[in-house]
Amino acid sequence: DSGVTQTPKHLITATGQRVTLRCSPRSGDLSVYWYQQSLDQGLQFLIQYYNGEERAKGNILERFSAQQFPDLHSELNLSSLELGDSALYFCASRDSGTDTQYFGPGTRLTVL
Amino acid sequence: GNSVTQMEGPVTLSEEAFLTINCTYTATGYPSLFWYVQYPGEGLQLLLKATKADDKGSNKGFEATYRKETTSFHLEKGSVQVSDSAVYFCALTRGTSYGKLTFGQGTILTVHP
Repeated sequence: DSGVTQTPKHLITATGQRVTLRCSPRSGDLSVYWYQQSLDQGLQFLIQYYNGEERAKGNILERFSAQQFPDLHSELNLSSLELGDSALYFCASRDSGTDTQYFGPGTRLTVL
Repeated sequence: GNSVTQMEGPVTLSEEAFLTINCTYTATGYPSLFWYVQYPGEGLQLLLKATKADDKGSNKGFEATYRKETTSFHLEKGSVQVSDSAVYFCALTRGTSYGKLTFGQGTILTVHP
């Protein structure tokens, strides 16, 4: 158990819909990272938050957005969903002392 | 930009065989290097890491040495077990990239009894 929690574990929805994925970091970690894992693109960095502020952006679509709340949990919002958005979405939190990221179990999104 | 290249898989071995999974990287400066493992149906777990040249990371019988001269971080294990069957990812972070991980494409390892 990494200490990072993600909900829901599975999500099935239709094209055009909007979903929200939730992540709670390990106790004491201020940074949260979101990654997408798909068969064709592999593991790709989407976005990072540190103590409530956006710090870095990767290959994140404009239809996707995220935020980190005062209690440090983070949400990834995916809208106008397309079939190609079907993937595993991972959240990770970073131990700044060891520069190590710990991953949650992921949310498997299926868009039908 | 930064990139990581792993040997193409899948890799299939018999129990107690020697394992090598090659990983090379492209990055400016001195990245930190990681191996993560993903067991079926699970998230990524950190296997080992190295933060400077010639460092050796080790865990659960796996080892990898940070070789700056060859920009490599190959994963090795002397005797694999069926329970080692998983997907292995090589990854790096750079100090100026706010810690985001750049991953290789992953190598599927299957170990048969």
